[in-house]
Amino acid sequence: EVYLVESGGDLVKPGGSLRLSCAASRFSFHTYEMNWVRQAPGKGLEWVSYISGSGSITYYADSVKGRFTISRDNAKNSLYLEMNSLRAEDTAVYYCARVGGIAAEKVDYWGQGTLVTVSS
Amino acid sequence: DIQMTQSPATVSASVGDTVTITCRASQSIGYWLAWYQQKSGKAPKLLIYKASNLESGVPSRFSGSGSGTDFTLTISSLQPDDFATYYCHQYNSYSWTFGQGTKVEI
Repeated sequence: EVYLVESGGDLVKPGGSLRLSCAASRFSFHTYEMNWVRQAPGKGLEWVSYISGSGSITYYADSVKGRFTISRDNAKNSLYLEMNSLRAEDTAVYYCARVGGIAAEKVDYWGQGTLVTVSS
Repeated sequence: DIQMTQSPATVSASVGDTVTITCRASQSIGYWLAWYQQKSGKAPKLLIYKASNLESGVPSRFSGSGSGTDFTLTISSLQPDDFATYYCHQYNSYSWTFGQGTKVEI
């Protein structure tokens, strides 16, 4: 069974910073593309960022571009999201999600999520 | 960005009913459409990928169809465990986008 476990969520003031982690286990982490997806309280899902297996390619949603940085440490089987200049609208549960399947044709595993609250 | 319009927002149904949820993309996404089920406080669970492929372990009462811009999720013979919120998701290109969700309620 694949495991993805997020951590690092917290209450932070507007303008503050936070680093989220996603610990992966029971699969060859370095061969999988990964994403962060968030969900504001009572709202729908919003894609945040993507990173390739090697970490050489990254993409960001316009809403976080220039403020968030995705990275990974394949030796530690870990995915990260560095979040700066946080705003109230960044308040959400943040999920890490794996792109799986034989040809990366599905988003098959999600972590349980970690809550980020931005408030003064 | 590709916009995903999902309908209806809410559907009231009974056990044994057939429920249909639709999702329309603002431009063609081929077959790159997935459906998820989400229960309160839980992560989304993959049901259907590439428009019509049933994820392993998902009951066969769930089915997906469509291509291009119009997609459908059908739940046949609704079971008590199926009352949840369902999302469509296009992953044809980054940035990914999701439908607004459909709540299936009793």
